[in-house]
Amino acid sequence: AQSVTQLGSHVSVSEGALVLLRCNYSSSVPPYLFWYVQYPNQGLQLLLKYTTGATLVKGINGFEAEFKKSETSFHLTKPSAHMSDAAEYFCVVTGRDDKIIFGKGTRLHILP
Amino acid sequence: DTEVTQTPKHLVMGMTNKKSLKCEQHMGHRAMYWYKQKAKKPPELMFVYSYEKLSINESVPSRFSPECPNSSLLNLHLHALQPEDSALYLCASSQRGFSGETQYFGPGTRLLVL
Repeated sequence: AQSVTQLGSHVSVSEGALVLLRCNYSSSVPPYLFWYVQYPNQGLQLLLKYTTGATLVKGINGFEAEFKKSETSFHLTKPSAHMSDAAEYFCVVTGRDDKIIFGKGTRLHILP
Repeated sequence: DTEVTQTPKHLVMGMTNKKSLKCEQHMGHRAMYWYKQKAKKPPELMFVYSYEKLSINESVPSRFSPECPNSSLLNLHLHALQPEDSALYLCASSQRGFSGETQYFGPGTRLLVL
């Protein structure tokens, strides 16, 4: 069975500071891993995903994530936070059985 | 065009009403999804259509009835809903419905059941 854990339901960072959103997963098969962002009153938008190949994945808006199999992690980072990054972020894991598992989400707050 | 559209944006209905939510995409995707999202929670998968056939039904009550008339259109028919069904209903699509595919989400329909 698959599961995904996002550490911290709320994360606050200062504008210009490093953003780090944590995601750990468990899966009995090689997973596919995604980060989606949801801005207020909007649908979800893909930031980046890992399926196979290079473990460091670059996404939109300067975000990147690294798949670390040994740590079962897929943490999301951005070197310098911008006010427009304030949103809800979801880590998602899917497996070969087509089950889609969402993390509980992390609300990112950007402090001026 | 990578857009998924949903209508209406907002819907208020009584518990005896019948209403429908509509979702449309013109990306040539053959998989379409309905999700329910309560406030401050992640989306919960309700239904998946793959090649116009219902492939996943996540034990959703029968007062929710999905329909996929063609590969571009997905409806969700609502009847005799309860106040706890109030939520944001999101539609999404992907190329074929495989696990590693990106899902493209619509903006959602915000439903209030009185």
